[in-house]
Amino acid sequence: GQQVQQSPASLVLQEGENAELQCNFSTSLNSMQWFYQRPEGSLVSLFYNPSGTKQSGRLTSTTVIKERRSSLHISSSQITDSGTYLCAMERSSNTGKLTFGDGTVLTVKP
Amino acid sequence: DPKIIQKPKYLVAVTGSEKILICEQYLGHNAMYWYRQSAKKPLEFMFSYSYQKLMDNQTASSRFQPQSSKKNHLDLQITALKPDDSATYFCASSQDPGNEQYFGPGTRLTVL
Repeated sequence: GQQVQQSPASLVLQEGENAELQCNFSTSLNSMQWFYQRPEGSLVSLFYNPSGTKQSGRLTSTTVIKERRSSLHISSSQITDSGTYLCAMERSSNTGKLTFGDGTVLTVKP
Repeated sequence: DPKIIQKPKYLVAVTGSEKILICEQYLGHNAMYWYRQSAKKPLEFMFSYSYQKLMDNQTASSRFQPQSSKKNHLDLQITALKPDDSATYFCASSQDPGNEQYFGPGTRLTVL
């Protein structure tokens, strides 16, 4: 089974609406990271969030390691937020291997 | 200035040929990685290196060989290319294994 499950698979918002993206892990993990993949393909690290809540501008990430889940909240969405949001987990800090989910494709309409 | 450089950005190769994908990072990181993203598949871990030493290899085929000439370089040599190797290959780095990873812009490889 898939180790990293993201939901929803896709999401369409009107500009200004909020979004909540979920990531669930089937195994124990050491840390996790959220990425934004631009439509042209490049990846941007949003949060490195082993546990707790972190905020950056309109984005908030909350990870509960014991419950093997993480969420990404986007407030007051903008058209430029459109793209794919990926979460990835790291099971062990020894090798740095990240295991990625399939992503959530976000479309923000005017 | 880009901190992780990947060259080339696009690459077209014929089946059976050999190519080298270049990656250089200027973040002062000790760990470097390769990932692959094929169409309709999640990003997939390939290799991790720390201080120029192999830490993990999840690539089943020996046709994929990382090459680290300097601590901030991790190139990827691919031999006997197949159409299934067509993908975008991303290089990444972190201060050490277990820290936040930063990704390069990727090399999009097409094998005909």
